[in-house]
Amino acid sequence: EVVLTQSPGTLSLSPGEGATLSCRASQSVSSNYFAWYQQKPGQAPRLLIYGASSRATGIPDRFSGTGSGTDFTLTISRLEPEDFAVYYCQQFGDSLQYTFGQGTKLEIK
Amino acid sequence: QVQLQESGPGLVKPSETLSLTCTVSGGSISSYYWSWIRQPPGKGLEWIGYISYIGSTSYNPSLKSRLTISLDTSRNQFSLTLSSVTAADTAVYYCARAVGSTWHFGLWGRGTLVTVSS
Repeated sequence: EVVLTQSPGTLSLSPGEGATLSCRASQSVSSNYFAWYQQKPGQAPRLLIYGASSRATGIPDRFSGTGSGTDFTLTISRLEPEDFAVYYCQQFGDSLQYTFGQGTKLEIK
Repeated sequence: QVQLQESGPGLVKPSETLSLTCTVSGGSISSYYWSWIRQPPGKGLEWIGYISYIGSTSYNPSLKSRLTISLDTSRNQFSLTLSSVTAADTAVYYCARAVGSTWHFGLWGRGTLVTVSS
């Protein structure tokens, strides 16, 4: 089973600042099947990034994803108040299994 | 606009079977992969399993012995049954859709809270 470890667990920043969220896989995963989600309290997760770097429909260009192999990054430039939420990474592997990271909480400083 | 809606009992007794249905409206259940994902209160996301539009399945190994996911194409629904539940199965249960070429979850239901308690 591929384990995804996200860091940091909590990130405290101010609106207008930039954010860098990390997701590390326990073994190499396909970037084609790697995604990031945003979840706000009481809501279902929302797809942000798929294929490691492609923005989903309607996602602002301040969100960007990079990475390959075992290391992936979600970058949010110029944080807006609505960006403060929990972010999850997700991968789909050869064993036809999905795994999620444990989440990074982005909170207002 | 395609929408997903979970339905089922909100309270299940320990040792009994949890059953949920996801109804797909505004589109066809064909050509996609349909997953169940859960989230215990205050915790992260756990993928439960999926069923494809042709009925093939993949399950989370940690749940496989208790889990069945089925498809009813005539009703545009898919279902989850999880047997021998315990308090650890208390969670918000989401249904979600993935495309087989990219495997990300582009569409989610709103989720339904299932509490396991006597």
